[in-house]
Amino acid sequence: DAGITQSPRHKVTETGTPVTLRCHQTENHRYMYWYRQDPGHGLRLIHYSYGVKDTDKGEVSDGYSVSRSKTEDFLLTLESATSSQTSVYFCAISEEDRGGKTQYFGPGTRLLVL
Amino acid sequence: GDSVTQMEGPVTLSEEAFLTINCTYTATGYPSLFWYVQYPGEGLQLLLKATKADDKGSNKGFEATYRKETTSFHLEKGSVQVSDSAVYFCALVNTGFQKLVFGTGTRLLVSP
Repeated sequence: DAGITQSPRHKVTETGTPVTLRCHQTENHRYMYWYRQDPGHGLRLIHYSYGVKDTDKGEVSDGYSVSRSKTEDFLLTLESATSSQTSVYFCAISEEDRGGKTQYFGPGTRLLVL
Repeated sequence: GDSVTQMEGPVTLSEEAFLTINCTYTATGYPSLFWYVQYPGEGLQLLLKATKADDKGSNKGFEATYRKETTSFHLEKGSVQVSDSAVYFCALVNTGFQKLVFGTGTRLLVSP
């Protein structure tokens, strides 16, 4: 357990509304990530952060923005939700040990955009 | 770019059968390789990993060996249980980078 929580765990929203998902970690990890999981695609990286106020895009960043004002929180915002953003969203942190860098995942947020 | 290819599922086995889930990768440099497992309704859990060629990762009876010559990291278990039913993801992260690249996942169904 890497001390990662996500909120909300489930959300239903309407097309065109803004949505913010929160990822919270308690162990002061520098790197945090947002992924989406869709059938047939595995997990795809949306955005990641390598420190407070330091973020970068992943492979499917269009329509999403992120912010990290504190080490422990990484927010994912859908500015104007679309049905194509219906998905399960996972947050992750990266932990370095003798074996290198390993990512650990939160429990996920299931988002339905109607 | 880097990529991971997994065998299509679902893989359907009877309890106590031998399991192999194939995973091959394409990457420059010397990636670290991972298997993650996702049980129904849950997030991804790290199952095992290997960080260099010929390393063997193992956990809960599962094993995978990092084969650089065949660019493979096949997951094996000698005797599966019903509780092993889940989706298994192969993934890599390349040296110096922080981004995991995932395969599409393989669903395993084990019947009593």
